[in-house]
Amino acid sequence: GAVVSQHPSWVICKSGTSVKIECRSLDFQATTMFWYRQFPKQSLMLMATSNEGSKATYEQGVEKDKFLINHASLTLSTLTVTSAHPEDSSFYICSASGVGGPNTGELFFGEGSRLTVL
Amino acid sequence: QQPVQSPQAVILREGEDAVINCSSSKALYSVHWYRQKHGEAPVFLMILLKGGEQKGHDKISASFNEKKQQSSLYLTASQLSYSGTYFCGTAKNTGTASKLTFGTGTRLQVTL
Repeated sequence: GAVVSQHPSWVICKSGTSVKIECRSLDFQATTMFWYRQFPKQSLMLMATSNEGSKATYEQGVEKDKFLINHASLTLSTLTVTSAHPEDSSFYICSASGVGGPNTGELFFGEGSRLTVL
Repeated sequence: QQPVQSPQAVILREGEDAVINCSSSKALYSVHWYRQKHGEAPVFLMILLKGGEQKGHDKISASFNEKKQQSSLYLTASQLSYSGTYFCGTAKNTGTASKLTFGTGTRLQVTL
């Protein structure tokens, strides 16, 4: 299957700082990437849909000014958590679909990034 | 609307069978099944597109009812490696960009 790489795997930061998470599609062009957030023992909740070259579409209740998403190229999308607070601590996972990947409807997930805000 | 899964959790002994259900109040375009190990990303199991469809590989199979409002995942002769949390995902859009809404999840633990 297609490969999606996410970086960093984990990050610990102080409250008030910003953190950037990268999501790369390694062997196909990801025209669309999705960002999910998962709190402990809960399901994955979609935060936003990111389309290459256009603004991200945020789900209801997700602050677009706090969670900045950039999808500047067909292989890279970034999520920046601005002015992070302890309640932002979570597991953030990206997924991708697009051109050049298997057209099975399958989503390809990155490895996830665990954010801990102190 | 988030699909509801049942049971919430199940403990099996190795070799036993399990069924996990995923229900929606509305007809779905498709249903995806994923397994997630603790601290890891979800791993794709299979996708069902057609009402009445059944498919599987190895000892894991799934069905999608005719009305496309319910799907079940069948785990036969469970192995220790089957342990994890299972999620169904339902697609909102057609085509290759599968915007998924994940179900509530079912935690499965297989013991010796």
